[in-house]
Amino acid sequence: EMQLVESGGGLIQPGGFLRLSCAASGFTVSNNYMSWVRQAPGKGLEWVSIIYFGGSTYYADSVKGRFTISRDNSKNTLYLQMDSLRAEDTAMYYCARGSFKSGLLDVWGQGTTVTVSS
Amino acid sequence: QSVLTQPPSASGTPGQRVSISCSGSSSNIGSYTVNWYQHLPGTAPKLLIYTNNQRPSGVPDRFSGSKSGTSASLAISGLQSDDEADYFCAAWDDSLNGVVFGGGTKLTVL
Repeated sequence: EMQLVESGGGLIQPGGFLRLSCAASGFTVSNNYMSWVRQAPGKGLEWVSIIYFGGSTYYADSVKGRFTISRDNSKNTLYLQMDSLRAEDTAMYYCARGSFKSGLLDVWGQGTTVTVSS
Repeated sequence: QSVLTQPPSASGTPGQRVSISCSGSSSNIGSYTVNWYQHLPGTAPKLLIYTNNQRPSGVPDRFSGSKSGTSASLAISGLQSDDEADYFCAAWDDSLNGVVFGGGTKLTVL
């Protein structure tokens, strides 16, 4: 069974940093297109970042320059390094498996909550 | 402000058919396939329709999708109380080089 499990969320002050992890089982992260998607309280889903199986990375304008997506092939784990956090980054963060140039996200984790507040 | 436009709410009575629209542009829906997700609070979003009109294994055929030009729609027939959820459309966008979502439609079964 394919599964994604996120961890690393928490309460952090504005300007702080956090690293989210997403452990995969049942498939290989490095052979897939992996995304991070978030949902702020009372808002809709927002795509955050993607890493292609070839290693290319792309980001939403709202996080470009502050967030970094990466993976550890030996641990079959996806990461999201979040720096210079802002109140508007407060959200539930999901990792998901996608496809090349597609909005198709077929495996999702349960999410991890990030709260940016003083 | 979401890139894809959906009505914020929709409703119907049990057994009815409801439709949810999703409008985009040439850089997203006009060029790429549309996918639909069902999302219940506190749970992971669930892929409901992919590649415009395909259903993953386990999704009832009460759910169907279609696309025309820069718009798409999700139809749910034989509405059930379990269908109460938020529904999101999504597609790739060339201008943003990423996935774009609709703002979501909250479906209420009256």
